[in-house]
Amino acid sequence: QVQLVQSGAEVRKPGASVKVSCKASGYPFSGYYMHWVRQAPGQGLEWMGRINPNSGGTIYAQKFQDRVTMTSDTSIRTAYMELSRLTSDDTVVYYCARGGVAAALDDWGQGTLVTVSS
Amino acid sequence: EIVLTQSPGTLSLSPGERATLSCRASQSVSGNYLAWYQQRPGQAPRLLISGASSRATGIPDRFSGSGSGTDFTLTISRLEPEDFAVYFCQHYGDSPPLFTFGPGTKVDIK
Repeated sequence: QVQLVQSGAEVRKPGASVKVSCKASGYPFSGYYMHWVRQAPGQGLEWMGRINPNSGGTIYAQKFQDRVTMTSDTSIRTAYMELSRLTSDDTVVYYCARGGVAAALDDWGQGTLVTVSS
Repeated sequence: EIVLTQSPGTLSLSPGERATLSCRASQSVSGNYLAWYQQRPGQAPRLLISGASSRATGIPDRFSGSGSGTDFTLTISRLEPEDFAVYFCQHYGDSPPLFTFGPGTKVDIK
């Protein structure tokens, strides 16, 4: 079955960067986009962007365009999301999610909490 | 940019009752690229419906999606205890941001 396993919780200081990983199994990794979505505690879902692991091509939401970088390593079936210039507003849970049919997000990782605090 | 509005914000029902959740788009949704997700407390979202009306793998048939254009509905025919959760609709569009989520509807126990 499809599994997306994310890296553990992180704590960063304001202005720092964080890199979250998402290891995939159970499907052809290069054949599906990997998306990143974030969620503040008790709030809604916010799409950050996606990567095509086959080509490395990325599309980012305008809000994050200048400080997010999504990459992937097909040899280890892992996608990465790096967010720079962190502020307290970036203290949220980050999810990876596999893109599926009709542009829906078929499978999700368990989430990674990033806490930004001085 | 398409904005999704969900109503009601909270729906208080009893197990066994029918739940009807609404998702309205500010412009017509092309290709019926409209999905629904369920999120239980402390868990990641789970895909229920894609393409406005197609149930995802393993989703019970008490969940159904309908609608087109700007108005979409998620119906849970008979609420089970595990169905009390938050439900989000999501749209895919060609211009950034490619994915937009609604604010969610919480279904709680009356």
